Amino acid sequence: DIQMTQSPSSLSTSVGDRVTVTCRASQSISSYLNWYQQKPGKAPKLLIYAASSLQSGVPSRFSGSGSGTDFTLTISSLQPEDFATYFCQQSYSAPQTFGLGTKVEIK
Amino acid sequence: EVQLVESGGGLVQPGGSLRLSCAASGFTFSSYSMNWVRQAPGKGLEWVSYISSSSSTIYYADSVKGRFTISRDNAKNSLYLQMNSLRAEDTAVYYCARWDFCTSYPYLAVWGQGTTVTVSS
Repeated sequence: DIQMTQSPSSLSTSVGDRVTVTCRASQSISSYLNWYQQKPGKAPKLLIYAASSLQSGVPSRFSGSGSGTDFTLTISSLQPEDFATYFCQQSYSAPQTFGLGTKVEIK
Repeated sequence: EVQLVESGGGLVQPGGSLRLSCAASGFTFSSYSMNWVRQAPGKGLEWVSYISSSSSTIYYADSVKGRFTISRDNAKNSLYLQMNSLRAEDTAVYYCARWDFCTSYPYLAVWGQGTTVTVSS
């Protein structure tokens, strides 16, 4: 199985800050990388698919980059509603696997 | 409105069984592959099972293989997960999720609200 390693596991930041979350795959997955946002008690929500494509309805402050084994999710200017946990997922090969998540907290 | 609604969760003793359901609406259910994904309390997401649109292809995570069975009824717009020989480590919120594609890139675009399964004596 392909292992997905996210970093950091958590971060404390402020509204307006630029936030970067990293995801590394244990082998090359081309651009088969998706990012999800999850708020407490809610289902995950797709933000980015195919490494850099923004899902419809997702604010443009979210962006994704990378290919191969190293990927990044960037929030250009953090908003109050962005405090949540973010997960990466590889869809390159079965079984699809997720990272352990990055919790973005208020400083 | 595109919607997935899970049901069937609850408290069950170790070794017991439970059947989860996921009702789909607002889209052509028979055209989409579907997945079950679970999340143990305070933990990350774990993919559980996949079924293709026609039920011709089915996959399971090693952790549930031989104990769980995924199925679907396209006439009823419904997805199911039969869970047998349940263990404490199966305790989780179970989500059904639609498998979407853009060109060849798949992702989970639509999720249900989840149903909670607790395995405890």
